[in-house]
Amino acid sequence: QKEVEQNSGPLSVPEGAIASLNCTYSDRVSQSFFWYRQYSGKSPELIMSIYSNGDKEDGRFTAQLNKASQYVSLLIRDSQPSDSATYLCAVTFNWGFKTIFGAGTRLFVKA
Amino acid sequence: GAVVSQHPSWVICKSGTSVKIECRSLDFQATTMFWYRQFPKQSLMLMATSNEGSKATYEQGVEKDKFLINHASLTLSTLTVTSAHPEDSSFYICSANRRREGTDTQYFGPGTRLTVL
Repeated sequence: QKEVEQNSGPLSVPEGAIASLNCTYSDRVSQSFFWYRQYSGKSPELIMSIYSNGDKEDGRFTAQLNKASQYVSLLIRDSQPSDSATYLCAVTFNWGFKTIFGAGTRLFVKA
Repeated sequence: GAVVSQHPSWVICKSGTSVKIECRSLDFQATTMFWYRQFPKQSLMLMATSNEGSKATYEQGVEKDKFLINHASLTLSTLTVTSAHPEDSSFYICSANRRREGTDTQYFGPGTRLTVL
């Protein structure tokens, strides 16, 4: 099992809908969780970080963390075509303080 | 805050030459930086972890003699692709680790697109 897993997609949602991106990880001893957005041909950009169980909201983005179930999700409300990108989930594990990236989920928001 | 720059943004070189890519953290100090490679439509692939003042740690399958890493200061790491060949053509991205209040966060540079003819 991969350490950080994401559905590769593509996930297609209509403009204005909620996009839900999910990520599972294999190790319980994890510390920090991140969501990055990567547009085609560009480098990843940090959009959210979350460290404790529950929800964290920032504008149209909400990160949700459930350590018992070992998943972290990202909700994008009122999706816009400009949200179309690949979203990378990243988890920092306590052992070696290494950050592992998922392979990413491609999101398409249709106008 | 947390700005990371890379130079050059793109480079075209002849096969057999060496190319140096610089990664700088502009507004914070980074004892640890990372170098990634990404081929079209593929995932990020971690190549090595660059530690200030010590040798880099390379991932399995990455040739340390081909990809030379130097982390000379708390704000600068360089990657030199030696004797580059067409198969080394890729998008090279660095990230710098920022430690704040006990947590580590990676911030990425804009990337360097390398084309080897």
